Formats: sequence, structure tokens, C-alpha cells
Amino acid sequence: EVQLVQSGAEVKKPGESLKISCKGSGYSFTTYWIGWVRQMPGKGLEWMAIIYPGDSDIRYSPSFQGQVTISADKSISTAYLQWSSLKASDTAMYYCARRIPSSSTTYYFDSWGQGTLVTVSS
Amino acid sequence: QSVLTQPPSVSGAPGQRVTISCSGSSSNIGAGYDVHWYQQFPGTAPKLLMYGNSNRPSGVPDRFSGSKSGTSASLAITGLQAEDEADYYCQSYDSSLTGWDVFGTGTKVTVL
Repeated sequence: EVQLVQSGAEVKKPGESLKISCKGSGYSFTTYWIGWVRQMPGKGLEWMAIIYPGDSDIRYSPSFQGQVTISADKSISTAYLQWSSLKASDTAMYYCARRIPSSSTTYYFDSWGQGTLVTVSS
Repeated sequence: QSVLTQPPSVSGAPGQRVTISCSGSSSNIGAGYDVHWYQQFPGTAPKLLMYGNSNRPSGVPDRFSGSKSGTSASLAITGLQAEDEADYYCQSYDSSLTGWDVFGTGTKVTVL
């Protein structure tokens, strides 16, 4: 069974750094893209970034380029999302999800982590 | 903002048929890219509901169906049930400067 297990909720102050994780199991971690999706309180889903753990190929949404850093450690089947200086507007639920091909150019997210709630408040 | 537009809400009585539209453009749905759908209940992670425009993952009831035409796609729920009350999101790929995968704005389905 494919599982993505995310790290627990975080409460941080503005300006602090943070790294959240997503551990995959039940499949070959290096052969599927992993994506991160933001959901702000009461709002919709936003695609942030993706990483291919096999070779660390990375793509960012223009909206999030420079705001976050995505990485992966394939030796422990874990992907990460990190911030160097949090803002109050980063308060949101963050989901990781496995991304698999529907066609040669289109992908979908078939398995999702449980989400990590990040709260940034002074 | 998202490049895929959905109605904020749709509603129907139990047993009725409701449809959710996902309107895109020539750089995403209209370019032939597949559309996928997700269902999300309050406080839980999204769940894949439909992939490749009209394919249901194992375990998804056949009262859910998907279609695509031109620059739009639709998700239909026939025989609406109380347990279908949730948020629904479409997703596709966009070849413009907006990035790679894109989600729709989301639709709240209410069972009257």
C-alpha cells in the first residue's frame, strides 16, 4: 500500500525557518515525482513545486519560486519543503502527494499525505 | 489566481444529478491535456476521484463520471447522496507561464 506520512503540526514566529517532511513507503520512492500543495485557511488547492527523487529534478510554480525550497533524501524515501524566513501569510495546510503520469505530458496526484499544518504568528 | 475556473457552489436534492464545470483555455484543457478531479471533505486530505478525464480509481462509485470537450471539462454526480457533500477540484497541466500542474478554484457540493 502506498503511504505518504508527513511531519506534525508546527507553530512558528515570523522570520523563523522551518523544514517539513513527507516520507513515502509501499512503492519505489525514486521513480515517481512528489509534489507539494498549499491550502490556506478556507481556500483552495495551490500547486507549489515538484521533485523527482531519482535525480532531484525540481520544478517550482512561479508563485512559489524563491519563497520555498523543495528537496529529497532518497536514502530515507523522504521529501522536504522548507522556508528560510516564514511570514504570517505562510500559515496554511501543506500536503505532499505522489504524482504519476496520465499521459506523456499530464500527471495527477494519486496518493496524498495527511497534511502538515503550519501556523506562523507572533 | 487559478487558470481553471469552477463554480463556487452547486447543490441538489438526494437522488438528483449535479454537474461541476471546469473552464480552462487553449494553454491547458484546450491544448488536449488531461483533466483530473479530487474530492475533499472538511479537515481531510484531497482524494483522487477521476483521472485521465473519465477514469475512476478503484473504489470510486460509478455515479461519478467525467468528460472533457474543447476548453472545458465536467464532473457529474448522478443519484446524489448525502455523503457526496464535499469540495471538488479539477486539475490539469498548463503550458503557459503559470507553471506545470494547475488546480481549479474548487466547488462546494451541498446536498439539500
